[in-house]
Amino acid sequence: DAKTTQPTSMDCAEGRAANLPCNHSTISGNEYVYWYRQIHSQGPQYIIHGLKNNETNEMASLIITEDRKSSTLILPHATLRDTAVYYCIVAPGAGSYQLTFGKGTKLSVIP
Amino acid sequence: EAGVAQSPRYKIIEKRQSVAFWCNPISGHATLYWYQQILGQGPKLLIQFQNNGVVDDSQLPKDRFSAERLKGVDSTLKIQPAKLEDSAVYLCASSLGFSGGGGNNEQFFGPGTRLTVL
Repeated sequence: DAKTTQPTSMDCAEGRAANLPCNHSTISGNEYVYWYRQIHSQGPQYIIHGLKNNETNEMASLIITEDRKSSTLILPHATLRDTAVYYCIVAPGAGSYQLTFGKGTKLSVIP
Repeated sequence: EAGVAQSPRYKIIEKRQSVAFWCNPISGHATLYWYQQILGQGPKLLIQFQNNGVVDDSQLPKDRFSAERLKGVDSTLKIQPAKLEDSAVYLCASSLGFSGGGGNNEQFFGPGTRLTVL
């Protein structure tokens, strides 16, 4: 069973920031938070990951609460191409760990 | 850099027939994964290989599914005989196989094979 809880769907206006929440209240100390997304008819794509500090890359920012029980993925300026299902996953992050996908959040970016 | 290649992209078969899917991972990636994704759900791991050895096949229905990764590179997933409930997208992914301590053992996914069982 997935160890995360995400809203089923969200809308975001094009050009605005998309904030996707994720609850992972049972996360262990050695587990990382990963975000992947899946655009229609494609395989999932890695976005970002973090342990306890906030992270930013060219695609997104990841904000993890101090208690690590929840996180938010931020797409700063959403475009129509960001319409996808976004998966929040917790995993050990050491060696060849496995990803357990839930149902994710369907983000629709509206023109 | 070439991505993960899968073939065929689409396959339609009748129940009780057999089918095989092929995956070519990114060069140098030691770990290979096969996932099953049923419509409306997230991908579910079927089997994980490290080089040519099986790391985890606990969710593989072994009475009908089989997979191999000869020489630690390409892999094939076979279903024999197929059932209606096997209709899904079968995704192959690969990764370097280690995180280096930073937690980033990114999995790269192929486009998938969409299987329809009639």
